[in-house]
Amino acid sequence: DQQVKQNSPSLSVQEGRISILNCDYTNSMFDYFLWYKKYPAEGPTFLISISSIKDKNEDGRFTVFLNKSAKHLSLHIVPSQPGDSAVYFCAASVAIQGAQKLVFGQGTRLTINP
Amino acid sequence: DTGVSQDPRHKITKRGQNVTFRCDPISEHNRLYWYRQTLGQGPEFLTYFQNEAQLEKSRLLSDRFSAERPKGSFSTLEIQRTEQGDSAMYLCASSRGQGGGETQYFGPGTRLLVL
Repeated sequence: DQQVKQNSPSLSVQEGRISILNCDYTNSMFDYFLWYKKYPAEGPTFLISISSIKDKNEDGRFTVFLNKSAKHLSLHIVPSQPGDSAVYFCAASVAIQGAQKLVFGQGTRLTINP
Repeated sequence: DTGVSQDPRHKITKRGQNVTFRCDPISEHNRLYWYRQTLGQGPEFLTYFQNEAQLEKSRLLSDRFSAERPKGSFSTLEIQRTEQGDSAMYLCASSRGQGGGETQYFGPGTRLLVL
């Protein structure tokens, strides 16, 4: 079963506008959420995270919002830049043997158009 | 901080052959994870090490897969008798092990193609 879902396989946004990427999850035990960005032939690069005790975290142009009651999180990028074009993965963290296992969504390909 | 490195970056092998991948984590990180990513999917957890101890294995990790982390430093992932279904990107990640809310940092991955 897919515990973390990114329902939009792709998103196209004009440069300078806001990009909003969405993620839904089903497991109430998830306590930490992360967004990663991935370019072709590279590993995922950490972008931003949020603890389940918060509802917003901001880092420069990136803001992550968490709605626990809806089991939904979103990543806002503003303003969008051409270098933001990549695949974005939402990941949720669940405890295993004292550590944290990440469960990933399927990814959303973001294209920023000049 | 030189980041997580993986070797090789690409591997092409014939079905039935054995392959081994290496991961070097960020130097002060005591936790090391292996994930596998297939086309159109997000990475999936395979296994986890705390220092040299392998503490968790996914059911995705069949008997043909074995991972080690001698001395708690680099790790190797070996696949014996490879099958075409093993073709994927194998990703390694490491973290500092600070308890809740840790961030895992990924290497560039090893792309495996089994012919």
